[in-house]
Amino acid sequence: DAGVIQSPRHEVTEMGQEVTLRCKPISGHDYLFWYRQTMMRGLELLIYFNNNVPIDDSGMPEDRFSAKMPNASFSTLKIQPSEPRDSAVYFCASSLGDRPYFNYGYTFGSGTRLTVV
Amino acid sequence: AQSVTQPDIHITVSEGASLELRCNYSYGATPYLFWYVQSPGQGLQLLLKYFSGDTLVQGIKGFEAEFKRSQSSFNLRKPSVHWSDAAEYFCAVGARGGSEKLVFGKGTKLTVNP
Repeated sequence: DAGVIQSPRHEVTEMGQEVTLRCKPISGHDYLFWYRQTMMRGLELLIYFNNNVPIDDSGMPEDRFSAKMPNASFSTLKIQPSEPRDSAVYFCASSLGDRPYFNYGYTFGSGTRLTVV
Repeated sequence: AQSVTQPDIHITVSEGASLELRCNYSYGATPYLFWYVQSPGQGLQLLLKYFSGDTLVQGIKGFEAEFKRSQSSFNLRKPSVHWSDAAEYFCAVGARGGSEKLVFGKGTKLTVNP
């Protein structure tokens, strides 16, 4: 398995532009998580999905952020409009639910480093 | 809601020395506990986990961790550190039942001196 795949690896954009981050989870995993990592706040859970349905989006910072999971093999995190304070590394992770979930933990992608100038 | 504290932001050890990274959690019941490692430019990799039973758990790369309920701690240890262990280490806690999400500590960066 290729693991969790995120694209792009790096993104530099100007303030006010729309940014879309992409994630392909591990085939068969039914949970997908979006995290944001910054020096100040560490790893923050933004939103997670179960079977393509958003379960908890309480970590999404503002209406400028939105996430979708149109099918089991693809998710996007969109920021519109972007601001310099959105600069961070965004991680996607997937896992297998039910009780076996904790036997596997999360599998993380390599992240997207977003810089908004 | 659960929470995690990693008191040490940065630790430096010499190669071959022993290592202990601290983790304290807050949760109303016995939690699920994890340690992850992040190498530069990489995602997080699971080192080990605790669910129940034996409070000393073994993980990959020679790491172990001990769950101490009385101290609400889950410290990570390694008897002899290798230069390749230099990375950032994250403790995480998950709730039993209900939400499947993990809450992570802010991490401890480990530097290994030759």
